[in-house]
Amino acid sequence: EVQLVQSGAEVKKPGESLKISCEASGYSFTTYWIGWVRQTPGKGLEWIGVVYPGHSDIKYNPSFEGRVTISADKSVNNAYLHWSSLEASDTAVYYCARSGGGFSRFDYWGQGTQVTVSS
Amino acid sequence: EIVLTQSPGTLSLSPGQRAVLSCRASQGVISSYFAWYQQKPGQAPRLLIYGASRRATGIPDRFSGSVSGTDFTLTISRLEPEDFAVYYCQQYGVSPFTFGPGTKVEIK
Repeated sequence: EVQLVQSGAEVKKPGESLKISCEASGYSFTTYWIGWVRQTPGKGLEWIGVVYPGHSDIKYNPSFEGRVTISADKSVNNAYLHWSSLEASDTAVYYCARSGGGFSRFDYWGQGTQVTVSS
Repeated sequence: EIVLTQSPGTLSLSPGQRAVLSCRASQGVISSYFAWYQQKPGQAPRLLIYGASRRATGIPDRFSGSVSGTDFTLTISRLEPEDFAVYYCQQYGVSPFTFGPGTKVEIK
């Protein structure tokens, strides 16, 4: 059974760094793209980007490039989303999700991680 | 980037009725690269349809997808109580992949 289990909710201050994780199981981690989606009440669902753990190829939405870093560690079957300096506008629920069928739609999703950035 | 517009914003229907949800793309989308998701409160989205008309694993056949040009349609033939949720369309043919704003299907 494919499962994606995300790290817990975070409350941070502006300017702080943060790395959230997504542990995959039930499939070959290195042979599927895995990515991140942001959800906010104002902007809905936004595709942040994806990583291919097999060779660490990464594709970003230009709207997020430079603001976040996506990575993967195939030794522990984890994908990560990292901020070096959070802003209040980063407050959102973040989902990790697996791309089925290559670089494509998301067929399995994690449970979501609430990130709150507030002074 | 490709902008997806969904209509209506809210659909008020009764169980047993047919639901027709629409999604229009701002520019051409390869129909093979189009999906629909369902999201219930407090849950992650769930893939329903991919390739515009192919049901994902475990999705009941009352859900169907179709396309005509840049207009994509999700049809729920007979609404079950568990189908009341928000539905999102997505294109994954052109990066960055984009989602529509969603259609809420609520109980009338």
